[in-house]
Amino acid sequence: DTGVSQDPRHKITKRGQNVTFRCDPISEHNRLYWYRQTLGQGPEFLTYFQNEAQLEKSRLLSDRFSAERPKGSFSTLEIQRTEQGDSAMYLCASSLVDWGETQYFGPGTRLLVL
Amino acid sequence: GNSVTQMEGPVTLSEEAFLTINCTYTATGYPSLFWYVQYPGEGLQLLLKATKADDKGSNKGFEATYRKETTSFHLEKGSVQVSDSAVYFCALQMDSSYKLIFGSGTRLLVRP
Repeated sequence: DTGVSQDPRHKITKRGQNVTFRCDPISEHNRLYWYRQTLGQGPEFLTYFQNEAQLEKSRLLSDRFSAERPKGSFSTLEIQRTEQGDSAMYLCASSLVDWGETQYFGPGTRLLVL
Repeated sequence: GNSVTQMEGPVTLSEEAFLTINCTYTATGYPSLFWYVQYPGEGLQLLLKATKADDKGSNKGFEATYRKETTSFHLEKGSVQVSDSAVYFCALQMDSSYKLIFGSGTRLLVRP
């Protein structure tokens, strides 16, 4: 079990560019979550998938954000037309369906928009 | 809406001191409660959890008791070590939505 992995670990981009992040969950986990964490704050929920179905999206997730999990395994998070306010750490977590389930977090992708 | 409030940090303690980090929550219903820890340069790790009132979660010498009457889940440790220096996050999860709702985190610094 290699844990949750995320790629890239760091991304610097210019305002207006598109970026895509990838998350590989723990292999048997069927739920996958995306969160965003800004400096000095706790993570904020963005969206989650159960298998390939996207079941919930936060109001934080503007139209410029899209997430997919096409085969119920890895997931991608794309941000179009990035803005400086998108600069944050983007965290992925995965879990098994269970009451009081434990979400296991990846190391995150740190995005800096110049 | 549902939310978590944590005491502001940083909390600075000497090694072997007693630790309390306060966490209170607001929720419509009965959430599960969690403490996550983020060590410098590492990702979030689950420290402990409790799924119903009066449950006590414990791990690595840390404890927290789910108190429904005071809507609290305070984190305690009897004797902290330098290696406990990290940021601690309290979080809740409702059964109607599996997302975690986090507090803003409390930084703990333990001096030798």
